Amino acid sequence: GAGVSQTPSNKVTEKGKYVELRCDPISGHTALYWYRQSLGQGPEFLIYFQGTGAADDSGLPNDRFFAVRPEGSVSTLKIQRTERGDSAVYLCASSSTGVGGYTFGSGTRLTVV
Amino acid sequence: AQTVTQSQPEMSVQEAETVTLSCTYDTSENNYYLFWYKQPPSRQMILVIRQEAYKQQNATENRFSVNFQKAAKSFSLKISDSQLGDTAMYFCAFMIVTGNQFYFGTGTSLTVIP
Repeated sequence: GAGVSQTPSNKVTEKGKYVELRCDPISGHTALYWYRQSLGQGPEFLIYFQGTGAADDSGLPNDRFFAVRPEGSVSTLKIQRTERGDSAVYLCASSSTGVGGYTFGSGTRLTVV
Repeated sequence: AQTVTQSQPEMSVQEAETVTLSCTYDTSENNYYLFWYKQPPSRQMILVIRQEAYKQQNATENRFSVNFQKAAKSFSLKISDSQLGDTAMYFCAFMIVTGNQFYFGTGTSLTVIP
């Protein structure tokens, strides 16, 4: 597609539930990134994919968070046993050429009630 | 550790005037890139301007320019002839050349007043 698409745009879930957030990168972009932006903060790195593999998952806060990119295109961020502190905007970005070639999506606003 | 500090949570400027947003950062790395991103209510992060740390010349992009002081680890953004569409959150960020993640500041909310 023309840009990075993230669905859903907004998600409200109950504490303890499981959620999946989807990211559709720009076609042909091999690198894909997930960031979390809490209220009043800048985005914080979660995980980076190069192709199908997670090249760097050092930003994932705990084992409730997991992400996949099985075919090297669409990625899904999965959060188990959601907590109120998981409420944030989850941003996805993709890139083909590295620095300067990033395109961000409009994010998914997750609210855990 | 890599940190980015934006000390101005909110700023305002009259339309057509000039405003400068401040940013300082800390890193022990020597090779990195610096960025300013704009985030309107749509939430998408939009690249405003980029600076390579090895370049002494300050980057410019139309009405946007930076003042990069490497020794002081300072990277301010100047917006000239401010327009209503410039109203947004602005984030300063850097990335190590050999790295793969942005380090963002906490942002400055800019309001352009008609």
